[in-house]
Amino acid sequence: GESVGLHLPTLSVQEGDNSIINCAYSNSASDYFIWYKQESGKGPQFIIDIRSNMDKRQGQRVTVLLNKTVKHLSLQIAATQPGDSAVYFCAENINSGNTPLVFGKGTRLSVIA
Amino acid sequence: DSGVTQTPKHLITATGQRVTLRCSPRSGDLSVYWYQQSLDQGLQFLIQYYNGEERAKGNILERFSAQQFPDLHSELNLSSLELGDSALYFCASSEQGRETQYFGPGTRLLVL
Repeated sequence: GESVGLHLPTLSVQEGDNSIINCAYSNSASDYFIWYKQESGKGPQFIIDIRSNMDKRQGQRVTVLLNKTVKHLSLQIAATQPGDSAVYFCAENINSGNTPLVFGKGTRLSVIA
Repeated sequence: DSGVTQTPKHLITATGQRVTLRCSPRSGDLSVYWYQQSLDQGLQFLIQYYNGEERAKGNILERFSAQQFPDLHSELNLSSLELGDSALYFCASSEQGRETQYFGPGTRLLVL
């Protein structure tokens, strides 16, 4: 079975508010984590990644937090915009290098204008 | 645009038939991965190729097979198709030694 899961299947936020999407993973040996955004009818789009030797990584309007103690990953989106509406997947890489990712089921983010 | 291309974009076929999905990785990427995504589900890993050789196998049915050619493009062959094979099929590629995978736009397969 999957070792990565999501706490909330759907999330609705007001435009301009911050969004937080959560993800739990079960494999403590995972050393690389990644967030993807998937819009309707499109392929997953890379957002941000983080390695297990880091707790936080920031991108443009997005921040990923990693809590290895409780095996929890979160994606924060600042000033959420209508264009952020999509399904967000977290994924983990159990082995280093070119190996398959294990994906969670996804959270649907809906931005209310 | 990720740089990964997939054809065809849509495919409609009947049960029992065989189809071939094609993927061209980003320039220079040696690894190609195939994933299946059913309705409202996450992505399930099927198979990985690295520089022409099979590297890892996931939940791929025996009716499915894949290969990677010398020019690094890959094909996923689905045979004896069943209704339950209807799904989105994605290809991803990654650089040598890097975990980040970049996905193509997918092929939507509908088996009637």
